[in-house]
Amino acid sequence: QQQVKQSPQSLIVQKGGISIINCAYENTAFDYFPWYQQFPGKGPALLIAIRPDVSEKKEGRFTISFNKSAKQFSLHIMDSQPGDSATYFCAARLYAGNMLTFGGGTRLMVKP
Amino acid sequence: DTGVSQDPRHKITKRGQNVTFRCDPISEHNRLYWYRQTLGQGPEFLTYFQNEAQLEKSRLLSDRFSAERPKGSFSTLEIQRTEQGDSAMYLCASSLRSKTGYNEQFFGPGTRLTVL
Repeated sequence: QQQVKQSPQSLIVQKGGISIINCAYENTAFDYFPWYQQFPGKGPALLIAIRPDVSEKKEGRFTISFNKSAKQFSLHIMDSQPGDSATYFCAARLYAGNMLTFGGGTRLMVKP
Repeated sequence: DTGVSQDPRHKITKRGQNVTFRCDPISEHNRLYWYRQTLGQGPEFLTYFQNEAQLEKSRLLSDRFSAERPKGSFSTLEIQRTEQGDSAMYLCASSLRSKTGYNEQFFGPGTRLTVL
């Protein structure tokens, strides 16, 4: 099973708030978990990524939390800004594979 | 611009026509990927090249689809006898195998295909 399930489908957050997007996976052979940000009409842009041997990774306002035993990982956007309004996708890659399996996406709206 | 580029950005065609898309990867990236993204969904993997060799193909890639990467540089994706169900955004990504082996994939802007 190579599914990656993402929630919520949509999220509305006030400016300055914390946006949290969750993903769950089944296949324990996944070994790399990136997050992508996509604006309308654009291709996905790599935001941040994590490996399963790390429980947390932070880059600026973006943090990935990873729970290997629960097979879940999440993206936290601190101090959310209107410019963060976009669709966010989690993804996973099989060990020694090359294709990314994407979640269904979360449409984030940050209200001013 | 040193990112992944795709051409055309938009294509409208009639059912039954053939279409071809082009992708130019980031210079020196030896890996190139094609994905398809329908409205409101995440990208789905279609195929992958390492240099000029096509190494993986998804079951989504029917016989009407063919991809090439001559000389290991740009790539083309051709769809023959297009169907309305082929309407989607076709995304190209490239990567360079890093020391960690996690070869981050960088995406182009995509080609939006509409089949009438």
